[in-house]
Parts: sequence; C-alpha cells; structure tokens
Amino acid sequence: QQQVKQSPQSLIVQKGGISIINCAYENTAFDYFPWYQQFPGKGPALLIAIRPDVSEKKEGRFTISFNKSAKQFSLHIMDSQPGDSATYFCAATHASGGSYIPTFGRGTSLIVHP
Amino acid sequence: DAGITQSPRHKVTETGTPVTLRCHQTENHRYMYWYRQDPGHGLRLIHYSYGVKDTDKGEVSDGYSVSRSKTEDFLLTLESATSSQTSVYFCALRDTDGDTQYFGPGTRLTVL
Repeated sequence: QQQVKQSPQSLIVQKGGISIINCAYENTAFDYFPWYQQFPGKGPALLIAIRPDVSEKKEGRFTISFNKSAKQFSLHIMDSQPGDSATYFCAATHASGGSYIPTFGRGTSLIVHP
Repeated sequence: DAGITQSPRHKVTETGTPVTLRCHQTENHRYMYWYRQDPGHGLRLIHYSYGVKDTDKGEVSDGYSVSRSKTEDFLLTLESATSSQTSVYFCALRDTDGDTQYFGPGTRLTVL
C-alpha cells in the first residue's frame, strides 16, 4: 500500500525553467511534509518542509504548495539550475501521534539541462 | 550532517554469507533507522530503534536483524545474504527537536 504517491518519476527541464513535483497522500493524520534532495552517491538531505497550518512555504527558489482538502502537496523549483539535478523525495509523517516513521514517495529524478 | 557515519561504504559478498553494517552517531539521538534504496522503490524502512535495546520492524524487515546495545551504534545484520538484498543502505536519525531525518552517506552492498 503506497500511502504517498509521487509524480512524475522523472523530469527534464531547461535551465531557467520551473520544475514541479507532486505528491498525494491518503492518511489525513499526517501533519509534517518534508522534501528531501539527494545527489548521486550521497544520502538524502532535507530541502524544505511544511506543516498543514499553512498553504505555502518558500525558501529561495524552492516553494512547497500544500492543499489540505485535496490531500496534495507539491515542490516548485523556480529558475531551475543544472546544480538542481538530483533525486527528490517527498515524505509525510504523523509526528504529533508519536509515530516518527515517515512515509516516503518513490522519488523523482530531475535533470536540468544547461 | 548530524555526525552520522556508516561502515563499510562499499561491500561485495557472496550469497549465504553473513553481513553486518554499522551506523554510528555522535550526537546522542534517540531514534535511528535503517532504509534500503532501490530504483523504482524509493526509500523503504527495514528496522528502526527508539532507544537502547528498543527496536521494531519496518515494511521490509524479512531477512534482516538489528541491534542497538548503545546509543551511538545501530547495527544491521543480514544473517544469510541473498542477491535480492543487493542495494544501497542508508542509516538515518531523527532530529531531537523536530521531525526531520538526517541520513548517513550510505553503504553500497552487492551480493553475488
């Protein structure tokens, strides 16, 4: 059972374009939604995260949009750069329930062409 | 990087041999996790620990065991390695003050 569905599996954009990765979840108890960035040969690292009390969070060129009613959240990368080429994972956790076990999406491989 | 190291970083072994991977942390975090990463499957939880000698199974625990005899070390053991366990293994720990996971650099395991 895949509780967090991530799409697309792969994405190719041109330098300067907008990259958009989407995730949908099923468990309405989830209350923490992080995005992780992973470069080849490295472990994933937190990029940006949001809690459901806000609909958008922006950090530099990276923005999370959150739609609680649709149970969807997305990562937008503005002015995409070749250095953004990486694999991106969304995740969801029921942190307030004491779970501390994140559910990960299957990842999106992003390639930004120069 | 939250002071996480994994050893070995690369290992090639043969089917049927036991293998132990080590995760070491320097910051006294309570929660530690073992994941495997495979193309098309993302990150899948194998086992996790919520304290010394306190561990629980994840979604893909069959064929794996863990031990945590002290806070800083979390060991993953493949009792009898199989080719299906060829993967990249990541250790992670939970941020003490929040819900973020910090990942180690990974161990690439090949079972021939």
